[in-house]
Amino acid sequence: QKEVEQDPGPLSVPEGAIVSLNCTYSNSAFQYFMWYRQYSRKGPELLMYTYSSGNKEDGRFTAQVDKSSKYISLFIRDSQPSDSATYLCAMSPGGSYIPTFGRGTSLIVHP
Amino acid sequence: DVKVTQSSRYLVKRTGEKVFLECVQDMDHENMFWYRQDPGLGLRLIYFSYDVKMKEKGDIPEGYSVSREKKERFSLILESASTNQTSMYLCASTDRGPNNEQFFGPGTRLTVL
Repeated sequence: QKEVEQDPGPLSVPEGAIVSLNCTYSNSAFQYFMWYRQYSRKGPELLMYTYSSGNKEDGRFTAQVDKSSKYISLFIRDSQPSDSATYLCAMSPGGSYIPTFGRGTSLIVHP
Repeated sequence: DVKVTQSSRYLVKRTGEKVFLECVQDMDHENMFWYRQDPGLGLRLIYFSYDVKMKEKGDIPEGYSVSREKKERFSLILESASTNQTSMYLCASTDRGPNNEQFFGPGTRLTVL
């Protein structure tokens, strides 16, 4: 079992839908949780960052961490075709600067 | 504006050739990383460096070496390229802060024939 599990998709939704992207993990030492967005033929870029448990909101994006269930989510409201990309979750323990990445979920938002 | 640049976007090499992939960051970051990204396998860490002239093996170092002679530059070397090293190679850097945000370059798509 990989330390971080993420469904590769693709996930195809109509424009305006609410999107839910998820990762599960097995290492209880993880404290830093991140979501990266990667457009085709580009490098990943940080989208959201959360420390420990709880929610964090930034515009149409909400990151949620449930450490008791070892489950993290990224919600996208009012999804747009420009949100079409691969979304990678990443996490690391305290004191480490080396994240463990999920395999990424491919999201397609069609007009 | 923070920036990580990679020497080539696309590269085609022949089996057995020595290949150099260069990465430069302008953020004065201590830590630099080389990953490869393959469909279905995600990002896999090849090597990382936490200081000049320091290097540590990642998850898949076989067939690769690295060099970090200056803080801003981290090179990945394929001593004798093989077809199974055809991949997207991504360089990243981070500072020593607690949030571990990785700044990625645009990637090099390497094809080994």
